[in-house]
Amino acid sequence: SQQGEEDPQALSIQEGENATMNCSYKTSINNLQWYRQNSGRGLVHLILIRSNEREKHSGRLRVTLDTSKKSSSLLITASRAADTASYFCATDPGGGSNYKLTFGKGTLLTVNP
Amino acid sequence: SQTIHQWPATLVQPVGSPLSLECTVEGTSNPNLYWYRQAAGRGLQLLFYSVGIGQISSEVPQNLSASRPQDRQFILSSKKLLLSDSGFYLCASGFGIAETQYFGPGTRLLVL
Repeated sequence: SQQGEEDPQALSIQEGENATMNCSYKTSINNLQWYRQNSGRGLVHLILIRSNEREKHSGRLRVTLDTSKKSSSLLITASRAADTASYFCATDPGGGSNYKLTFGKGTLLTVNP
Repeated sequence: SQTIHQWPATLVQPVGSPLSLECTVEGTSNPNLYWYRQAAGRGLQLLFYSVGIGQISSEVPQNLSASRPQDRQFILSSKKLLLSDSGFYLCASGFGIAETQYFGPGTRLLVL
């Protein structure tokens, strides 16, 4: 089963609105990452938040992490049409030495001009 | 910063034909390398990863194989393609445990 699960599967908003996507995971983690994928392209790393951090900002992005609830959220403020993409959370599967990341199925964000 | 190259960008192959997808990394040394497959509208499935030359870990049993003949080269192969091998193949590079991964542009494979 997936370690990370994004919610909602799809989100459609108007330009200028905020977009919030959520990610839930099952096991303990070292960190949680968010990636963006434009249609037909590779993934681009957006932000990494470590298990001892609760909130992190990068430009118009705000990520929170609640390890007690095993969940994270990605907020994009003042959205633009260019933010239209799929957004994935990724976590290490948990426990010990591990070089892998497990990706969720993603949230497809559509920002309408 | 590192750059991941993948080729070809698109490939159409008949069932039963062989496959070779290549990934090369610029701008770094001794990275961990990864092959993922993404079905349409789905998440990423990790196929193989490598922490060094000649070291390959397989995540999913299938008719694909991977090799790492050089530090910054990662190859995905098949002797006989199946219809189910169609998908979007992504190569990624990273360091350390569960750290940031950098992705190539991907190869879209269609098996007919």
